[in-house]
Amino acid sequence: GQNIDQPTEMTATEGAIVQINCTYQTSGFNGLFWYQQHAGEAPTFLSYNVLDGLEEKGRFSSFLSRSKGYSYLLLKELQMKDSASYLCAYMDSNYQLIWGAGTKLIIKP
Amino acid sequence: GAVVSQHPSWVICKSGTSVKIECRSLDFQATTMFWYRQFPKQSLMLMATSNEGSKATYEQGVEKDKFLINHASLTLSTLTVTSAHPEDSSFYICSARLVRGDNSPLHFGNGTRLTVT
Repeated sequence: GQNIDQPTEMTATEGAIVQINCTYQTSGFNGLFWYQQHAGEAPTFLSYNVLDGLEEKGRFSSFLSRSKGYSYLLLKELQMKDSASYLCAYMDSNYQLIWGAGTKLIIKP
Repeated sequence: GAVVSQHPSWVICKSGTSVKIECRSLDFQATTMFWYRQFPKQSLMLMATSNEGSKATYEQGVEKDKFLINHASLTLSTLTVTSAHPEDSSFYICSARLVRGDNSPLHFGNGTRLTVT
């Protein structure tokens, strides 16, 4: 089946760290993507994980555990411009992207 | 810079009319483009996969006669919403892979916000 979950909304403080979790269940897996989507705009690519472990890219890091069907996006040194929705999506055995509903991240000063 | 260009950014049309949305790949050839629809506070929903030189592949529940897709060149795909109704009002987004490979990331156009009155 196709099942992917992430929290609907999270709130964090400017300068802090926030972790957005994503869990999925699938029989076929070809990687997990994270995208950022500002309100009224199209998503922009953040990261791709296909092997277990942590991928660091500046202030953003993404982690994957295939055995647990679990990923997280870690945002450090939060800035107001990081306020956006963060979408996780896994790629199934047919290379189709299955999207989560997105996590709206609210940054407070 | 943007690698996928989408036009128009927003459009308002009357019920019963048709609207065409263009999606262009900039500086690369896209044999495949993807059309998504997103309703407020909901996830992206794949509508169809546009294949250059052949018929588009539609997802279950998407009416191919209502959402006409044409991919006549390696850099242009168009989506035409025919006989639009208010329930078709949504955010339509196209995407393509800059790099060949099924697991390469999708790059999205800026989206088209369609409002049908």
